[in-house]
Amino acid sequence: KAGVTQTPRYLIKTRGQQVTLSCSPISGHRSVSWYQQTPGQGLQFLFEYFSETQRNKGNFPGRFSGRQFSNSRSEMNVSTLELGDSALYLCASSTQDPTNTGELFFGEGSRLTVL
Amino acid sequence: KNQVEQSPQSLIILEGKNCTLQCNYTVSPFSNLRWYKQDTGRGPVSLTIMTFSENTKSNGRYTATLDADTKQSSLHITASQLSDSASYICVVSAGGYNKLIFGAGTRLAVHP
Repeated sequence: KAGVTQTPRYLIKTRGQQVTLSCSPISGHRSVSWYQQTPGQGLQFLFEYFSETQRNKGNFPGRFSGRQFSNSRSEMNVSTLELGDSALYLCASSTQDPTNTGELFFGEGSRLTVL
Repeated sequence: KNQVEQSPQSLIILEGKNCTLQCNYTVSPFSNLRWYKQDTGRGPVSLTIMTFSENTKSNGRYTATLDADTKQSSLHITASQLSDSASYICVVSAGGYNKLIFGAGTRLAVHP
């Protein structure tokens, strides 16, 4: 069974540009969540989608957005990039909400560098 | 304020030795506590998930304990291997994705 696939793995952008990251969840998983990981802040929750609907949202500005398609694949977009957006962006898929003991399966991440 | 604190920040041990990583939390309400292993440049991989009623959970050479009264958890690694070199992240769920509280992690280096 294929794991969570994130593309691209690495990318470099300049300030002011926008970026789109993609995540394909494990087959059968309908929940996809996104996280930002930086050395200073650690892992932080961005948002979660289930059946094409955003169910939960973290504390990030509106420049960070996402969507989910009918096949459960998800994309996240960051507009007007800032230097502080440089981070590892992780996607995780799950069959259920982590309020229960549902496993979160993480992808390898997309490392974004903003110059 | 919901917080998860991990100690030590980093740790170096020799191959074959045991070690224990700590996680203290002030998260309410408590739903579950998770330990993840993250290799450099890779995504986190789940080691254990424990609910309020569970005291101990093992996954091979990894054993997690939970004391819900003192709000402390530990991850014990037995007979360490070079492949155990990674960051170990403690995550407490207060209910829902937007209430996943992540610790800063403990960076473990296992030397031959």
